[in-house]
Amino acid sequence: QVTLRESGPALVKPTQTLTLTCTFSGFSLSTSKMCVNWIRQPPGKALEWLARIDWDDDKFYSTSLKTRLIISKDTSKNQVVLKMTDMDPVDSATYYCARSTSYCGGGSCHSAVDYWGQGTLVTVSS
Amino acid sequence: QSVLTQPPSVSAAPGQKVTISCSGSSSNIGNNYVSWYQQLPGTVPKLLIYDNNKRPSGIPDRFSGSKSGTSATLGITGLQTGDEADYYCATWDSGLRADVFGPGTKVTVL
Repeated sequence: QVTLRESGPALVKPTQTLTLTCTFSGFSLSTSKMCVNWIRQPPGKALEWLARIDWDDDKFYSTSLKTRLIISKDTSKNQVVLKMTDMDPVDSATYYCARSTSYCGGGSCHSAVDYWGQGTLVTVSS
Repeated sequence: QSVLTQPPSVSAAPGQKVTISCSGSSSNIGNNYVSWYQQLPGTVPKLLIYDNNKRPSGIPDRFSGSKSGTSATLGITGLQTGDEADYYCATWDSGLRADVFGPGTKVTVL
């Protein structure tokens, strides 16, 4: 049974760095094609993909946020950490960690998020 | 501003069919596989369709996906009140080297 759980502060001040941890079970991030993503959703707004770390330690970031994001993994602890610097009130959102199976072959890439955490609401306010 | 385009909303009566379009480009939909997600009010998104047209176990065959060129379509037949939700398409963008989500489409059952 695959589960993911996000943890981190519910409230951060503007300009601070947000650190979120995703603790997962039921799969290994050292297994081929396994990936963990961070996706966020401001209240009443759309999903926004932020970052992904793959089983082989490849890392990918949203173009618009890449200068502020760092994703890392600790395979032995089954954890993935996302750091987002210089937080602003517009970054207030529910942050989800989610597993995907992502790989490329034959010139095309497959990527589908099949398990999601419950999400953690982060509010940026002074 | 997403690189994928979806209509903001679609609606139909119970029992009818709706289709949701997702338009992109050769760097995303045109050369990669598309997935679709359903987000019921107040809940976590759920995978409906992957690899353009495949349904995960437990997803009823009322939900279907297709892709042609740089566009993909989600179809829902036998519309039910429980299908009222936001629906998102997603894919890999080879140029951006990033996953991308569409802006979402709200389905309303009249």
